[in-house]
Amino acid sequence: AQSVSQHNHHVILSEAASLELGCNYSYGGTVNLFWYVQYPGQHLQLLLKYFSGDPLVKGIKGFEAEFIKSKFSFNLRKPSVQWSDTAEYFCAVTLYNNNDMRFGAGTRLTVKP
Amino acid sequence: DAMVIQNPRYQVTQFGKPVTLSCSQTLNHNVMYWYQQKSSQAPKLLFHYYDKDFNNEADTPDNFQSRRPNTSFCFLDIRSPGLGDAAMYLCATSKGGSGGATDTQYFGPGTRLTVL
Repeated sequence: AQSVSQHNHHVILSEAASLELGCNYSYGGTVNLFWYVQYPGQHLQLLLKYFSGDPLVKGIKGFEAEFIKSKFSFNLRKPSVQWSDTAEYFCAVTLYNNNDMRFGAGTRLTVKP
Repeated sequence: DAMVIQNPRYQVTQFGKPVTLSCSQTLNHNVMYWYQQKSSQAPKLLFHYYDKDFNNEADTPDNFQSRRPNTSFCFLDIRSPGLGDAAMYLCATSKGGSGGATDTQYFGPGTRLTVL
């Protein structure tokens, strides 16, 4: 079945550790890829997105993600996390020319001070 | 400064009693979406409006309906809530137009529905 997979359900890191959250999708064809973040008590907001061009995308707050087409992956990275990065992170996909967004189940990140 | 507003933030209803959730936006976006998010699960698209055109997901139960009386407002009606409908309901908007699939979606804070 077509899906978006986030294999890490809960990640716990200490401040200054490096972060990589996995995202894989199983849709064929042209896809648009997104990472959204939900801070505690807040609404979902966009971190970054990819739809064409340089497969390494930089977003807000020092986050970046790399689209690897051969691996159907769009992993999120940050070289040094902060306590304020504690949040839930969602990977999402839209298909070419289709607004319908499919989300992964999310990864909860806890950063210990 | 709020862009996508959802009311109420918390809604309690009784089994089988109709309930309406509200969403409004100040972005003047063409597209409005409703998602259902159950605990520890992905937000699941229920339906969306592109202007006045309603687009229902194939697996959205008939129990869920939506209305969009104007650009700014969109409502989610649950005709006969069951215990399994308890969830967070998220409203989102996007600009629409050509290349709309690459649009950022802007989310409201959600309405948490409890069914007793």
